Amino acid sequence: KNEVEQSPQNLTAQEGEFITINCSYSVGISALHWLQQHPGGGIVSLFMLSSGKKKHGRLIATINIQEKHSSLHITASHPRDSAVYICAASYYGGSQGNLIFGKGTKLSVKP
Amino acid sequence: EAGVAQSPRYKIIEKRQSVAFWCNPISGHATLYWYQQILGQGPKLLIQFQNNGVVDDSQLPKDRFSAERLKGVDSTLKIQPAKLEDSAVYLCASSYTSGVETQYFGPGTRLLVL
Repeated sequence: KNEVEQSPQNLTAQEGEFITINCSYSVGISALHWLQQHPGGGIVSLFMLSSGKKKHGRLIATINIQEKHSSLHITASHPRDSAVYICAASYYGGSQGNLIFGKGTKLSVKP
Repeated sequence: EAGVAQSPRYKIIEKRQSVAFWCNPISGHATLYWYQQILGQGPKLLIQFQNNGVVDDSQLPKDRFSAERLKGVDSTLKIQPAKLEDSAVYLCASSYTSGVETQYFGPGTRLLVL
């Protein structure tokens, strides 16, 4: 069964801290997505990666294909980073656009 | 560039009633997705369209849910009759193709079934 698991479920940090959110998945993914969901429901795609590392501002996403693991890092965290971060995988077989989502990590950054 | 539009944003109905949601994807996006997100969980794909054809509806409860995308642009998702467990946020997303690429999400419709 194709699954995506995230940890931790909830994360509280102080402003300025370095944050890591982890994601593990089953074999055979074609891409791994990181998304951000703010209160009210809107989802924004942050990264899509199939190997290596990507960086955008204070956000860094990495993926280790051999270990079937991806991480999302936030440097110098800020209260506006407070949101739910969701990991999702595109699996081979079936529609490539069909994403399997993790349950999300709720991040709260305190000033 | 306008984003994915959805309406209504909120809907409260009683069980056994029917409800419909509307989605207008980003212009030029051939692929449209409907997701259901129950509180505390990640989104779950209900149906995927490529233009006006269905690519994947394996997780759509077809006894009560239906969706269409008649002209390959706008889409509607209907629930009839609604059950309590249908209370969720219904998200519409679109992408340029059905391949592995970024999906753009609408703001969602929050449904409460009483």
